[in-house]
Amino acid sequence: QQQVKQSPQSLIVQKGGISIINCAYENTAFDYFPWYQQFPGKGPALLIAIRPDVSEKKEGRFTISFNKSAKQFSLHIMDSQPGDSATYFCAAPNEAAGNKLTFGGGTRVLVKP
Amino acid sequence: DAGVIQSPRHEVTEMGQEVTLRCKPISGHDYLFWYRQTMMRGLELLIYFNNNVPIDDSGMPEDRFSAKMPNASFSTLKIQPSEPRDSAVYFCASSLIGYTGELFFGEGSRLTVL
Repeated sequence: QQQVKQSPQSLIVQKGGISIINCAYENTAFDYFPWYQQFPGKGPALLIAIRPDVSEKKEGRFTISFNKSAKQFSLHIMDSQPGDSATYFCAAPNEAAGNKLTFGGGTRVLVKP
Repeated sequence: DAGVIQSPRHEVTEMGQEVTLRCKPISGHDYLFWYRQTMMRGLELLIYFNNNVPIDDSGMPEDRFSAKMPNASFSTLKIQPSEPRDSAVYFCASSLIGYTGELFFGEGSRLTVL
């Protein structure tokens, strides 16, 4: 069973600061690594995803960095805003299970004004 | 499009009762997923369908759980009999190209079994 280990479990950052969330995965034959954002009482929504023929992808203030050899990827939130306060989930395909997505345990981010 | 629609949003029931959760996926999406979210286990995939056919139900916890998709616009997840450990938020999600593309989640059904 694929495990996707996400850290930290929670994060407090000041407005304008940088939030960094890390994920590590096991083996996968398919390269697709998304990050989902979830607000309280809502379902997760795709934030950004990478297919690592590149090592980095940036969309606005959100950047994914990917290290294929280390089987790790991370989400950076630049200039964090109170509206970014949410739970963030990384996910990775599970090779042993036909490449179903396995989600990390989530990181609760609180951005203080 | 209205997005993925789930009902009920909240359900409180007593142990032993039957629970039916409903989902209407986004029109045109060929894939439908049922997830369960708990604090202890996070987001778990229970079952997914492709073109109304169940493809993988290995995540269904036990025989008390069943899911159907009678047509492209409707799916149900049934728990019979329900137990307190089934208390969780159940999400339905749909996708155009499977789980390697964007999953569109509904707002979830929060189930409490007393």
